[in-house]
Amino acid sequence: GAGVSQSPSNKVTEKGKDVELRCDPISGHTALYWYRQSLGQGLEFLIYFQGNSAPDKSGLPSDRFSAERTGGSVSTLTIQRTQQEDSAVYLCASRNAGGNTGELFFGEGSRLTVL
Amino acid sequence: AQTVTQSQPEMSVQEAETVTLSCTYDTSESDYYLFWYKQPPSRQMILVIRQEAYKQQNATENRFSVNFQKAAKSFSLKISDSQLGDAAMYFCAYTENNAGNMLTFGGGTRLMVKP
Repeated sequence: GAGVSQSPSNKVTEKGKDVELRCDPISGHTALYWYRQSLGQGLEFLIYFQGNSAPDKSGLPSDRFSAERTGGSVSTLTIQRTQQEDSAVYLCASRNAGGNTGELFFGEGSRLTVL
Repeated sequence: AQTVTQSQPEMSVQEAETVTLSCTYDTSESDYYLFWYKQPPSRQMILVIRQEAYKQQNATENRFSVNFQKAAKSFSLKISDSQLGDAAMYFCAYTENNAGNMLTFGGGTRLMVKP
């Protein structure tokens, strides 16, 4: 697609439920990143994919968080047994790893609200 | 670990005036990129300007320019002739020139533009 696409745009869930957030990167971009942005805060790195593998999972805050990427394209971030502190905007970004500018291209994010 | 610090949580500027947003970073690397991203209410992060550390010349993009002081590890953003559409959150970001290219973000500065 023309840009990074994320869905859902907004998600309201009850505490304890599982949620899945989807990211469709720019076509041809091999690197994909997930960030979390709590209200009024900066961006917190969660996980990075190069192709289908995740060389860096260091940012995942707990074992309730997991992510996968299939076909070198779409990625899904799953949060199990959601807690209120999981409420945030989850931003996805992609990059052409063959490029040399370092720039990330971002989607509009998925706003998660845990009641 | 690299850190990026934005010491101004909020800034205000009169329309048509000039404003400077501050950013400092900490790294032991010599080869890296620095960025300023803009985040309007739509949530999508938009690249404003990029600076390669090996370049001594400060980057400029129309009304946006940077003051890159490598020895001082300082990277400020100057917005000239401020417009109402410049109102947004601005994030300073750092990445190393390697395969991962994960961006480390500062906490952000909210810029308000007064008509």
